[in-house]
Amino acid sequence: GENVEQHPSTLSVQEGDSAVIKCTYSDSASNYFPWYKQELGKRPQLIIDIRSNVGEKKDQRIAVTLNKTAKHFSLHITETQPEDSAVYFCAARYNNNDMRFGAGTRLTVKP
Amino acid sequence: DTGVSQDPRHKITKRGQNVTFRCDPISEHNRLYWYRQTLGQGPEFLTYFQNEAQLEKSRLLSDRFSAERPKGSFSTLEIQRTEQGDSAMYLCASSAGQGGNQPQHFGDGTRLSIL
Repeated sequence: GENVEQHPSTLSVQEGDSAVIKCTYSDSASNYFPWYKQELGKRPQLIIDIRSNVGEKKDQRIAVTLNKTAKHFSLHITETQPEDSAVYFCAARYNNNDMRFGAGTRLTVKP
Repeated sequence: DTGVSQDPRHKITKRGQNVTFRCDPISEHNRLYWYRQTLGQGPEFLTYFQNEAQLEKSRLLSDRFSAERPKGSFSTLEIQRTEQGDSAMYLCASSAGQGGNQPQHFGDGTRLSIL
């Protein structure tokens, strides 16, 4: 079936460093790619999204890049802070309706 | 508006019992989604509604699962004859607009534990 692969599964960085999380998708018709942050015991929260008509989107310390030809997209967090520690999920809209999520990346930012 | 709300937050029941969860979406959102999330995994799509119409169901949704959204507002998800494998977090999300490429906003979920 259609899958979204996400890596790495865990990522540890020093405060102030950058973090990059990568995802690949298989459905070439996918055209919407959100990223969610989920803290322990809390709901997934949308942090940024990108549509297929652009290659990059930035919001303060967070940016997402999309390569439609290669079918991969990445989340970039700069100047990381301890409060960025959480599980991050990428997703791709599949079959025009449902969303397929990656398995998540546990990011730890060490002070 | 306080966002998507789900009730109950936790449900513990014995295997074989029926359970029902409720989701109240953001008031102006006409799309409502149900997902299941197990530990260490991303949310898995179960089904979604456009207003009161249930437009798609995942193959994950066995015939023991049924969802309704009778007036196009709140939705219920019922699981009949629960099994231990049903233990998971059940998440609801809603979005605005007619297409599927609008941001989905999640509730806090209902954590189901089957004894």
